[in-house]
Amino acid sequence: GDSVTQMEGPVTLSEEAFLTINCTYTATGYPSLFWYVQYPGEGLQLLLKATKADDKGSNKGFEATYRKETTSFHLEKGSVQVSDSAVYFCALSDRGNTGFQKLVFGTGTRLLVSP
Amino acid sequence: DAGVIQSPRHEVTEMGQEVTLRCKPISGHDYLFWYRQTMMRGLELLIYFNNNVPIDDSGMPEDRFSAKMPNASFSTLKIQPSEPRDSAVYFCASRQDRVGSTGELFFGEGSRLTVL
Repeated sequence: GDSVTQMEGPVTLSEEAFLTINCTYTATGYPSLFWYVQYPGEGLQLLLKATKADDKGSNKGFEATYRKETTSFHLEKGSVQVSDSAVYFCALSDRGNTGFQKLVFGTGTRLLVSP
Repeated sequence: DAGVIQSPRHEVTEMGQEVTLRCKPISGHDYLFWYRQTMMRGLELLIYFNNNVPIDDSGMPEDRFSAKMPNASFSTLKIQPSEPRDSAVYFCASRQDRVGSTGELFFGEGSRLTVL
């Protein structure tokens, strides 16, 4: 079945450091890929998405490129801020014959950014 | 749009009591999902509906859990009787499936349940 694997956390960085959170997936169809972010005490919010190979999703300085050849969707940011401290979830939604199936989430990676 | 609305935001109850969590999906969305989040197990899909019909309830932990969607704008997740191990944050999410949609989910802010 479909699955998502993301790096374990926590990831601890100083402000203005470069961020990479790795995510790889397995899927039988043609998935859309997502990164969701969860700030403390809140629900999950969509951060960015990509719907086909080589698409780059971007938002708030974060980027991720849909790499079909390596089945990856790594999240990057050039300069993190303390306010980026949150849990980040990689996810996929596979497109079957009847439309999108349920969203499959990774286990989440906690990011801690210190001043 | 107001987004996915969940209530209550916080619930503290005693073991054995019935708990009902409520969700109002985004208008026009035809899928509704219930998730549970704990430190130990992470984010778990409990059940999801399409056009008010339950499609997959394989994630419902046991018979104490039940979910209904009587109409397109309302769903409930009920736990009866509740146990301390049910303590978690329960999220509701909705999605629209139309031509051009990308499969993303929109989440509510969650209901934090504590069972003493």
